[in-house]
Amino acid sequence: EDKVVQSPLSLVVHEGDTVTLNCSYEVTNFRSLLWYKQEKKAPTFLFMLTSSGIEKKSGRLSSILDKKELFSILNITATQTGDSAVYLCVLRGYGGSQGNLIFGKGTKLSVKP
Amino acid sequence: GAVVSQHPSWVICKSGTSVKIECRSLDFQATTMFWYRQFPKQSLMLMATSNEGSKATYEQGVEKDKFLINHASLTLSTLTVTSAHPEDSSFYICSAKTSGSSDTQYFGPGTRLTVL
Repeated sequence: EDKVVQSPLSLVVHEGDTVTLNCSYEVTNFRSLLWYKQEKKAPTFLFMLTSSGIEKKSGRLSSILDKKELFSILNITATQTGDSAVYLCVLRGYGGSQGNLIFGKGTKLSVKP
Repeated sequence: GAVVSQHPSWVICKSGTSVKIECRSLDFQATTMFWYRQFPKQSLMLMATSNEGSKATYEQGVEKDKFLINHASLTLSTLTVTSAHPEDSSFYICSAKTSGSSDTQYFGPGTRLTVL
């Protein structure tokens, strides 16, 4: 079964809207939770979350992790067409210096002008 | 559904030897597979794109003779690191994409390569 579940799978909004992308997981022991933005090619790193309740912000994007309820959200305010992408939630487990990655299936965000 | 597996999950080899990493789509046909390399600061670097039955397209700076990619079937792609050196030690991740307009890629769990 899926250990990292993202919702919704797909989302269409208009420019200026605010969106919240969800990531719930079943893994209780992990090193960090990562958010990536994937457009045409390689995913672009957005955030790494390790502690519960501490919001990370970067411009219009913000993210927070809730280790008690086992979820994370990625917020995008005042969306722009350039935000259209697939957003990936990834858990980084233990197991050596690099760890093992557990990917969610992604949320496809489409921002209409 | 949409499960991608990689084998092995961790391999240690001696310098100068070659290592093959397999990427399989278990319950769907992957017309396109991607190979990534993960660097220590969590960035993923796309190495190459392979389409079933044709030669892989390598990204700039990736040596195609060193990283041999074969996508022989719709469910299997292999990455062979030839004459591996310690600097090739890294985390290699594959992803698979079905045909059609969907942009969703399904990622494998990764393979950690350590070259001694």
